[in-house]
Amino acid sequence: DTEVTQTPKHLVMGMTNKKSLKCEQHMGHRAMYWYKQKAKKPPELMFVYSYEKLSINESVPSRFSPECPNSSLLNLHLHALQPEDSALYLCASSEGTGYTGELFFGEGSRLTVL
Amino acid sequence: AQSVTQLDSQVPVFEEAPVELRCNYSSSVSVYLFWYVQYPNQGLQLLLKYLSGSTLVKSINGFEAEFNKSQTSFHLRKPSVHISDTAEYFCAVSGTGGGNKLTFGTGTQLKVEL
Repeated sequence: DTEVTQTPKHLVMGMTNKKSLKCEQHMGHRAMYWYKQKAKKPPELMFVYSYEKLSINESVPSRFSPECPNSSLLNLHLHALQPEDSALYLCASSEGTGYTGELFFGEGSRLTVL
Repeated sequence: AQSVTQLDSQVPVFEEAPVELRCNYSSSVSVYLFWYVQYPNQGLQLLLKYLSGSTLVKSINGFEAEFNKSQTSFHLRKPSVHISDTAEYFCAVSGTGGGNKLTFGTGTQLKVEL
């Protein structure tokens, strides 16, 4: 069982909709991540939060808006998306802020934009 | 910056046969190296990692990888594969300076056949 929980597992939205993806971990990890993964491709880093503060934004379009309400929760707010944004969105967490440890991934939220 | 090359996009192999998945990296600084596995419709799971010390690292399910600094490689091997090993395998690298940025290779699809 994964210890990073993502909801919803599947989401279909129109280009004018506003929706949110949610991620939760209870491992006491201090870093949380959003990745985007297209079919047959590796995950691409979008955002990193360290100690609840945004530390990395990989030049992601503003139609994606991350939020970290507390150390256990990470949201990704979606607005005015394009069909090319359809992908698997993966949340991950790690104990610390350096890559000496393991990233724990959720099972992902599969997003389809019509 | 770091980069990772996985030359084999697909590796078909019969059950109980040995397998090697190749990974080469490029970096101007010292690195940490990882292999992640992604089963169908799931997130990624850490298979094994090299941080320092012994260059041969092993997973609990029989995989092993050897860090070869002179050849800038971190190939993954298993002496006898099982049907359940069918998955996508990603090699990943990060600089030892931290910064939360993990660079993934393009992935290798291991397909184990009877």
